[in-house]
Amino acid sequence: GQQLNQSPQSMFIQEGEDVSMNCTSSSIFNTWLWYKQDPGEGPVLLIALYKAGELTSNGRLTAQFGITRKDSFLNISASIPSDVGIYFCAGSSGAGSYQLTFGKGTKLSVIP
Amino acid sequence: KAGVTQTPRYLIKTRGQQVTLSCSPISGHRSVSWYQQTPGQGLQFLFEYFSETQRNKGNFPGRFSGRQFSNSRSEMNVSTLELGDSALYLCASSLGPLGTEAFFGQGTRLTVV
Repeated sequence: GQQLNQSPQSMFIQEGEDVSMNCTSSSIFNTWLWYKQDPGEGPVLLIALYKAGELTSNGRLTAQFGITRKDSFLNISASIPSDVGIYFCAGSSGAGSYQLTFGKGTKLSVIP
Repeated sequence: KAGVTQTPRYLIKTRGQQVTLSCSPISGHRSVSWYQQTPGQGLQFLFEYFSETQRNKGNFPGRFSGRQFSNSRSEMNVSTLELGDSALYLCASSLGPLGTEAFFGQGTRLTVV
């Protein structure tokens, strides 16, 4: 089945630093989504990507859909304490699939 | 606009019992999917419904089942509960076929003792 490798597993950064995390897939995806999950809550959608090469921003967050359609990355600029949480990538191969495949998550800790 | 609502938030059940979880999608969303989240396995796809039809099912035993009603609300049922079924069960809704933007509820935390 499809697998997503998300890295790094965890990160400790200083407040104000930039963060980068990525996901790679064993197969082609037509959609990439990035989510953030706080403890005890459901994942919250941050960014959705639909085209190879697409670069999309949402405030301090920027995500890109890789040209090969097998990877995506998420950057967070000028991190703040509320960025703490677990970030997940998710991909879908498109029509007929009707499911999202998730990475294992990147746990982000921000040191004030 | 109300988000995805899952009830109950927390549930404690005994091995061998059965449980039903409920999900109300965002108004106008017709696709509802369910995921199981555990520390070891992460988020695993259970099944997806669109217009009362199950269109896809993940690799879970037949003890896990679901349904969707005409108002798009969905329920999932787990019979003969096992300790390993303890998890956060998440429901997500999408306007159209899943694979577009999926919005999650807060989840139901199921503990099997």
